[in-house]
Amino acid sequence: GEDVEQSLFLSVREGDSSVINCTYTDSSSTYLYWYKQEPGAGLQLLTYIFSNMDMKQDQRLTVLLNKKDKHLSLRIADTQTGDSAIYFCAEKNPNFGNEKLTFGTGTRLTIIP
Amino acid sequence: GAGVSQSPRYKVTKRGQDVALRCDPISGHVSLYWYRQALGQGPEFLTYFNYEAQQDKSGLPNDRFSAERPEGSISTLTIQRTEQRDSAMYRCASYGRGGQETQYFGPGTRLLVL
Repeated sequence: GEDVEQSLFLSVREGDSSVINCTYTDSSSTYLYWYKQEPGAGLQLLTYIFSNMDMKQDQRLTVLLNKKDKHLSLRIADTQTGDSAIYFCAEKNPNFGNEKLTFGTGTRLTIIP
Repeated sequence: GAGVSQSPRYKVTKRGQDVALRCDPISGHVSLYWYRQALGQGPEFLTYFNYEAQQDKSGLPNDRFSAERPEGSISTLTIQRTEQRDSAMYRCASYGRGGQETQYFGPGTRLLVL
């Protein structure tokens, strides 16, 4: 079955690094994603990683994937107030042609000045 | 348009009324997905289309929910005889093939059933 889990809340001081964790259960997932949701806005794709990769870096964002443990993390370096949002991890259905995503419950990131 | 658009952005209706939610995907995107997001939860899959064909409707909660995409572009999600438990954010996403392995989401329609 498909189930994606995240912790609900994370508080980080401005300037520190934030690490948001996610676990998933479908070992056949091909792509895993991180989306950002700000109040009143849509879901913004931050980054994604293909399942044959261990790490992907994009400016302040680093994604780590431990496929053995089915664990995905998102590290945000030098966290800023604009990073306050809810972060969702999602896995893509592996069935060819059906790209539906299964999302976690989201982690609310709060920045402490 | 440049992105996915949805209308209306907010809809308040009385229990028992029908509602129609519209999604206008990114031009040229073959696939269109509908999700529902309850408060404090992540989005949950409802249904999806490739062109005008509905490929998977396994996420629709019951037969009061239906969706169509008659010309392979704009899609409408219809909820008949709305109930209070239908209150949620309804999100649409479109997906292009041949390159980006990502879905692009619209701003959503927040539905409140009184």
